Amino acid sequence: TQLLEQSPQFLSIQEGENLTVYCNSSSVFSSLQWYRQEPGEGPVLLVTVVTGGEVKKLKRLTFQFGDARKDSSLHITAAQPGDTGLYLCAGAVETGANNLFFGTGTRLTVIP
Amino acid sequence: ETGVTQTPRHLVMGMTNKKSLKCEQHLGHNAMYWYKQSAKKPLELMFVYSLEERVENNSVPSRFSPECPNSSHLFLHLHTLQPEDSALYLCASSQDTLGYEQYFGPGTRLTVT
Repeated sequence: TQLLEQSPQFLSIQEGENLTVYCNSSSVFSSLQWYRQEPGEGPVLLVTVVTGGEVKKLKRLTFQFGDARKDSSLHITAAQPGDTGLYLCAGAVETGANNLFFGTGTRLTVIP
Repeated sequence: ETGVTQTPRHLVMGMTNKKSLKCEQHLGHNAMYWYKQSAKKPLELMFVYSLEERVENNSVPSRFSPECPNSSHLFLHLHTLQPEDSALYLCASSQDTLGYEQYFGPGTRLTVT
């Protein structure tokens, strides 16, 4: 089983602040996905990064895949209360019966 | 109806009850999954189905019994559960099991009394 550790586990910040969430593993992944889960709902896919070193931007969110494809980061600029939720990274591998492994999660609270 | 739906959204059951959770996907996907999400724990994969065949069972107790009658429907039959089984049960689907993005339902919040 591929283990993905996310840090920090919990993060509480004021509206307007910037933050970065990390997703680290010793395993190499063919791609990495980021999801956000709001209270009472299932996770929703935000982005998939595929190439080592790739950077993708989604409005105020910037996602980066590490050069070695073992880690990723999510940076949020000027956080808003609507960004509150559980952020999950998930690494994809190309072998085995199940090919997507979820990280431990970062629970973000943005205080108005 | 689009996406992945789950019913019921909330369920309270006693330890001697038998109940079933239902999941339906309208995305034409070939793979479906059951996950358990407990407070302060990572998402736990329970079962994986590909083209209606179970391909992974992550050491889940036999009081949880999955059923996949076709590629659009997935059930989780529950029998003599324990209080520690209380959690959010999430269903997901993907194009296939080869690491494609997964689309989740809203989950069933299960409380075992």
